[in-house]
Amino acid sequence: NAGVTQTPKFQVLKTGQSMTLQCAQDMNHEYMSWYRQDPGMGLRLIHYSVGAGITDQGEVPNGYNVSRSTTEDFPLRLLSAAPSQTSVYFCASSYSGLTYEQYFGPGTRLTVT
Amino acid sequence: KQEVTQIPAALSVPEGENLVLNCSFTDSAIYNLQWFRQDPGKGLTSLLLIQSSQREQTSGRLNASLDKSSGRSTLYIAASQPGDSATYLCAVQGWEETSGSRLTFGEGTQLTVNP
Repeated sequence: NAGVTQTPKFQVLKTGQSMTLQCAQDMNHEYMSWYRQDPGMGLRLIHYSVGAGITDQGEVPNGYNVSRSTTEDFPLRLLSAAPSQTSVYFCASSYSGLTYEQYFGPGTRLTVT
Repeated sequence: KQEVTQIPAALSVPEGENLVLNCSFTDSAIYNLQWFRQDPGKGLTSLLLIQSSQREQTSGRLNASLDKSSGRSTLYIAASQPGDSATYLCAVQGWEETSGSRLTFGEGTQLTVNP
């Protein structure tokens, strides 16, 4: 199993550009989520999904959209990039959201200039 | 709102020493607690998961304990090695009305084991 994969590993955007961060898992996990990691603020939940077709907002959802058309994929879209979205983004998955171990991807390091 | 604190923020020890990393959380209504390791520029690797009904979990040289009522967990690393150098993150799984099921993370303890 590849586990949780994320692409790209690095990305530089200009303010106002849009892009999609890809996340996929091959463990047949129902629960998937996106976090961002910033110095001094730890990891914070952006959006999550409890299954295909179901998504919901986390702690810091503004400026981001998600969709979950399949169990395997959970892309994160930046609609109009801002410098405040410079961060490292991690995708995670687990069998379910409440009691099971969470597995994280390798991360995408995003810089917005 | 759940808050997780890890002490110390940084720790430097000689190889072979046994050490303890501390984690505290403010809301005891958790489903589980998970310890992660993060190497510089890398993702998070799960080390141990303790369910809310459990007191401890062990994996190799690692032992994690959980005292839910007092809001504390410790990660014990025996016979530390230079390869253990990394940032160790504690996270509690809970439910919040505004953001549903989520992991709340501490800011981590940066461990350096010197040869």
